[in-house]
Amino acid sequence: EADIYQTPRYLVIGTGKKITLECSQTMGHDKMYWYQQDPGMELHLIHYSYGVNSTEKGDLSSESTVSRIRTEHFPLTLESARPSHTSQYLCASSEMGNSPLHFGNGTRLTVT
Amino acid sequence: EDQVTQSPEALRLQEGESSSLNCSYTVSGLRGLFWYRQDPGKGPEFLFTLYSAGEEKEKERLKATLTKKESFLHITAPKPEDSATYLCAVQARYGQNFVFGPGTRLSVLP
Repeated sequence: EADIYQTPRYLVIGTGKKITLECSQTMGHDKMYWYQQDPGMELHLIHYSYGVNSTEKGDLSSESTVSRIRTEHFPLTLESARPSHTSQYLCASSEMGNSPLHFGNGTRLTVT
Repeated sequence: EDQVTQSPEALRLQEGESSSLNCSYTVSGLRGLFWYRQDPGKGPEFLFTLYSAGEEKEKERLKATLTKKESFLHITAPKPEDSATYLCAVQARYGQNFVFGPGTRLSVLP
């Protein structure tokens, strides 16, 4: 019974294509995050938002962009996909303060 | 710089064989330490938050403890359904974001 939804679950695209990974949450959380996770590796923060019209880049250098026009929606866009972008992308949200993250089930992206 | 390490990298147990997973951290003032469980092909699922040294939390066969430098996730009489990757993360007092460890892959054999 996920309260945070990511689509698509799997995506295979060719190099140079523009893609948008969708993330929506129904919990009314102000904070939302995008993480990248490779097998057996740490989650790396690529973007985050503390509310509408607020977005920041994370620790991992990324060629992606995000927007936060509505509280519940936090899409991530790759303008020109490359094979190095092949990874799992996880979206998360949390309440303010020291509340835990709630994660979606991720989008596994393969760029050929 | 805030940092989290986890050991062992992988652990295989027989059903019923209790053990512990370690999460060591360095952080500029701890706001919270979080344990998550991640199944293959899914996002991490929240288990526990610990806020201060000496604190303990329990849920079914899992018990998390915290000291000033590390946290342990104790698994008592594990079952095959406890097989997963267990992730540890910290949030610094003066920051908003989370730093994750690489996880421990636990396999419990019947």
